[in-house]
Amino acid sequence: GESVGLHLPTLSVQEGDNSIINCAYSNSASDYFIWYKQESGKGPQFIIDIRSNMDKRQGQRVTVLLNKTVKHLSLQIAATQPGDSAVYFCAENMYSSASKIIFGSGTRLSIRP
Amino acid sequence: NAGVMQNPRHLVRRRGQEARLRCSPMKGHSHVYWYRQLPEEGLKFMVYLQKENIIDESGMPKERFSAEFPKEGPSILRIQQVVRGDSAAYFCASSPKPEGEKLFFGSGTQLSVL
Repeated sequence: GESVGLHLPTLSVQEGDNSIINCAYSNSASDYFIWYKQESGKGPQFIIDIRSNMDKRQGQRVTVLLNKTVKHLSLQIAATQPGDSAVYFCAENMYSSASKIIFGSGTRLSIRP
Repeated sequence: NAGVMQNPRHLVRRRGQEARLRCSPMKGHSHVYWYRQLPEEGLKFMVYLQKENIIDESGMPKERFSAEFPKEGPSILRIQQVVRGDSAAYFCASSPKPEGEKLFFGSGTQLSVL
């Protein structure tokens, strides 16, 4: 749902390990979900999306998992690299009836060398 | 094939002045969205526009804020009589489709109100 005024949670991962970033979405009617990556001083960059008729989708080094029962979304990044350091946002949309994407509160991913 | 272009990149205004933020969508995109982001927070939806039409302005403050997307030229987000609380990063996104799918974002305008 809408973000709140809290400091971003941080996930610290060793370079080369896999990263898992979690997100709880708010609206059970949402049927389209997106992960965005935002680097410092830049706009959000599309990573991967998934529709509610799927529970898993894979891209290049990334996998998104959707659990509609508990309204949970996760982003898995394989073999995490320094360039993956960023803030990651999940976003949701009621594709069939709404026109705006609602962003979650974000997770900062930091990579340990 | 240029991406979403926003200008200025940084804008400094004194309290009471007007701020105008411009956004040129990607070529072929006729759907524009404006979002606001405070430090360490997510993006909050403000308004969704198509050419010459405001489709959804549910995230816009009722006073001082307005947006337009004319037939020709960029989309404009206008903030009148700015206050310090308006200081934020304002992002524009565009899409070729009306359903808010796969938005492409610009680099944002950082508004600082003194």
